[in-house]
Amino acid sequence: EAQVTQNPRYLITVTGKKLTVTCSQNMNHEYMSWYRQDPGLGLRQIYYSMNVEVTDKGDVPEGYKVSRKEKRNFPLILESPSPNQTSLYFCASRSAGGANTGELFFGEGSRLTVL
Amino acid sequence: GNSVTQMEGPVTLSEEAFLTINCTYTATGYPSLFWYVQYPGEGLQLLLKATKADDKGSNKGFEATYRKETTSFHLEKGSVQVSDSAVYFCALTGTGANNLFFGTGTRLTVIP
Repeated sequence: EAQVTQNPRYLITVTGKKLTVTCSQNMNHEYMSWYRQDPGLGLRQIYYSMNVEVTDKGDVPEGYKVSRKEKRNFPLILESPSPNQTSLYFCASRSAGGANTGELFFGEGSRLTVL
Repeated sequence: GNSVTQMEGPVTLSEEAFLTINCTYTATGYPSLFWYVQYPGEGLQLLLKATKADDKGSNKGFEATYRKETTSFHLEKGSVQVSDSAVYFCALTGTGANNLFFGTGTRLTVIP
């Protein structure tokens, strides 16, 4: 089954404790992206990757890091989480040819709470 | 720049009622337009799309027409069901197509 898998789905942590949210896709997609969803703000892009070893900032990259060492994986790293990073996070992917169709495939989301 | 403005929610309708969720956009060039749906506890999934002016996207009884003259892409359904309860996002592709720009989402609740 084609899917985007995120882990963990739910996490409560404390300020300053490094954490990683993993994202894996099994569709051989070149493009992957991370979004955060906040009430009244919709989805905002954090980082994206056009292919292996190619990453770039989205609209709200501060406080986050990413890496793309393998095509299928695109982890989101919070080196020193702060309460303003409490949010619902989504990973998404698409093929290179899907740039104009715009069809992103989303994971089920990871709800992060930073105390 | 690129932006999407969506009708504020939440929207509550009775089953079989007519649905309209308004969406207007600002964009450079000729974007493609999309509606995504997010069911409770799930990620977003593409509902329908339109890639050029006057195109009509349709799926699962939902429709939206790309209106360049009014820069709009309103979502409509003639008769909603309880299973349509979800959050609906309007979106457009940006230049370079490295991103989708999403509206803030509209929560729809359909009551029996």
